[in-house]
Amino acid sequence: SQQGEEDPQALSIQEGENATMNCSYKTSINNLQWYRQNSGRGLVHLILIRSNEREKHSGRLRVTLDTSKKSSSLLITASRAADTASYFCATGGQSGGYNKLIFGAGTRLAVHP
Amino acid sequence: GAVVSQHPSWVICKSGTSVKIECRSLDFQATTMFWYRQFPKQSLMLMATSNEGSKATYEQGVEKDKFLINHASLTLSTLTVTSAHPEDSSFYICSAPQGSSGYGYTFGSGTRLTVV
Repeated sequence: SQQGEEDPQALSIQEGENATMNCSYKTSINNLQWYRQNSGRGLVHLILIRSNEREKHSGRLRVTLDTSKKSSSLLITASRAADTASYFCATGGQSGGYNKLIFGAGTRLAVHP
Repeated sequence: GAVVSQHPSWVICKSGTSVKIECRSLDFQATTMFWYRQFPKQSLMLMATSNEGSKATYEQGVEKDKFLINHASLTLSTLTVTSAHPEDSSFYICSAPQGSSGYGYTFGSGTRLTVV
């Protein structure tokens, strides 16, 4: 079963604007990860934030984590047309000793030139 | 970095036939491989976890006899969709964790299966 919900489901912005995506999850976590998927392609790992971290940066990406609210946000600053993709959060669960990733519903981001 | 090579990238097959999808870890040993299915504009749903040398673990609601998983070596895991039907048409993606921490995951490029 999926871990939680993401909002918005779809986001359309102009180049240069910031894009914020939110993710909620249901169970306790050790870490939360954000992935990007171009249409019809595999996933690319963007950033991982551990449960004892509140904020993390990587280039134009900023991720926050609020474990009390079981939520995370991904901010892409100064967006570019090339940022157009679907973005998913994922949390690690364990099954039989293996860490399986459970994905949120995803946000489809469209950045217009 | 670690690479998982997934083939084929797309396949069209007739109803009733079987299709095999391969995922190979190219520069690391993947003792575990996760198999996901993704319908258009939806998220990835975990189907099963394959473990080298042992039986796969299937998620609830996934038919074991329909989605055969084999993980015979440390670098190869396969998913066979048996007696495929149009409703099996989907995007299938594999993923392998890296390292004992399980924090890093590498994904294959996915296979688009269309059953006609």
